[in-house]
Amino acid sequence: TAGITQAPTSQILAAGRSMTLRCTQDMRHNAMYWYRQDLGLGLRLIHYSNTAGTTGKGEVPDGYSVSRANTDDFPLTLASAVPSQTSVYFCASSDSGGTTGELFFGEGSRLTVL
Amino acid sequence: GQNIDQPTEMTATEGAIVQINCTYQTSGFNGLFWYQQHAGEAPTFLSYNVLDGLEEKGRFSSFLSRSKGYSYLLLKELQMKDSASYLCAVIPEDYQLTFGKGTKLSVIP
Repeated sequence: TAGITQAPTSQILAAGRSMTLRCTQDMRHNAMYWYRQDLGLGLRLIHYSNTAGTTGKGEVPDGYSVSRANTDDFPLTLASAVPSQTSVYFCASSDSGGTTGELFFGEGSRLTVL
Repeated sequence: GQNIDQPTEMTATEGAIVQINCTYQTSGFNGLFWYQQHAGEAPTFLSYNVLDGLEEKGRFSSFLSRSKGYSYLLLKELQMKDSASYLCAVIPEDYQLTFGKGTKLSVIP
């Protein structure tokens, strides 16, 4: 079972370039999320989508955009990368109709902006 | 805003018991999670509490007191493989799960 697949696993990007991190889930979960994880700051929510066709801003949305054209895919785009966006990015999903709303995470994408 | 506090690091001995505390001040409360994250890996679900009391699952237990804004994760019979970060996360009134900064647990022989 694949669960959540993220790509790329790691990437080095020049400042000012654009980048899209891909996220695909095969669990038919309604809700999907993007978090960034930085040393000493923990996981912080960037954007979320409660259902296909809708998105919302999390705690740290600036410099990022998302789309949710269908249930399975939730790409995260950096339009013009800056060094402060160097981080590990985790995509997650949850079955909002489930009993706990437990999050299932992808393996992460490590992004370095130089 | 939301505030979730947990110790940064803890060390415990193999075979012992360790308690990791979490206190929170959030806008509303709809549940609390504990996740485990090994270095370089994704977080994985450990437990969920929405009512006061203790939830036991094998060697791991989680406790919640909503009136005190307090939870703890109890790990018994510690094993070396339990060395990981443990993340406390709260569902506030807007239902967007908010994480604490995590507690790095080191289990030593």
